[in-house]
Amino acid sequence: EVQLVESGGGLVQPGGSLRLSCAASGFTFSSYEMNWVRQAPGKGLEWVSYISSSGSTIYYADSVKGRFTISRDNAKNSLYLQMNSLRAEDTAVYYCARRKYFQHWGQGTLVTVSS
Amino acid sequence: EIVMTQSPATLSVSPGERATLSCRASQSVSSNLAWYQQKPGQAPRLLIYGASTRATGIPARFSGSGSGTEFTLTISSLQSEDFAVYYCQQYNNWRWTFGQGTKVEIK
Repeated sequence: EVQLVESGGGLVQPGGSLRLSCAASGFTFSSYEMNWVRQAPGKGLEWVSYISSSGSTIYYADSVKGRFTISRDNAKNSLYLQMNSLRAEDTAVYYCARRKYFQHWGQGTLVTVSS
Repeated sequence: EIVMTQSPATLSVSPGERATLSCRASQSVSSNLAWYQQKPGQAPRLLIYGASTRATGIPARFSGSGSGTEFTLTISSLQSEDFAVYYCQQYNNWRWTFGQGTKVEIK
């Protein structure tokens, strides 16, 4: 069974940093492209970042480019999102999701940016 | 960026009736279109990809159609568990984008 488990969310002050993790199991992680998708409270879905299976191709939404960094460790079956210079508008549930159409999702981790 | 526009914003339907949801892309996305269902407090669930292919375990009452810029999700006979928010998403252009969602509520 495919499982994606996010962690690392929490309360952070504006301008602060946070690192999210996504632990994958039940499939060959190194064979799949991965994404981060977020959802602000009461709002719709927003794609954040993409990384290819090898990590050689990376994309970011304009809203996070230059502040967020996606990475992966295929040996550890893990996906990461380093978030710097956080803003109030980054407050959201962050999901990791497999493939370009998001075939499987984790349960999400809540990031709250507030003073 | 490709803008995805869903209509209507809210759809009121009685159980057992058919629901038809629309999604329009600002430029062609070929058949690279997915549909998701999201219930309160839950992660989204993939229903349809490739515009018309049902994901694993999705009941046959869900069907997708369209290509290019116009797409439709049809739920043939609404069940109580189908009342939720539905999103379309294009993955033709690497800035993957979602529609704003259609809420299907009980009439």
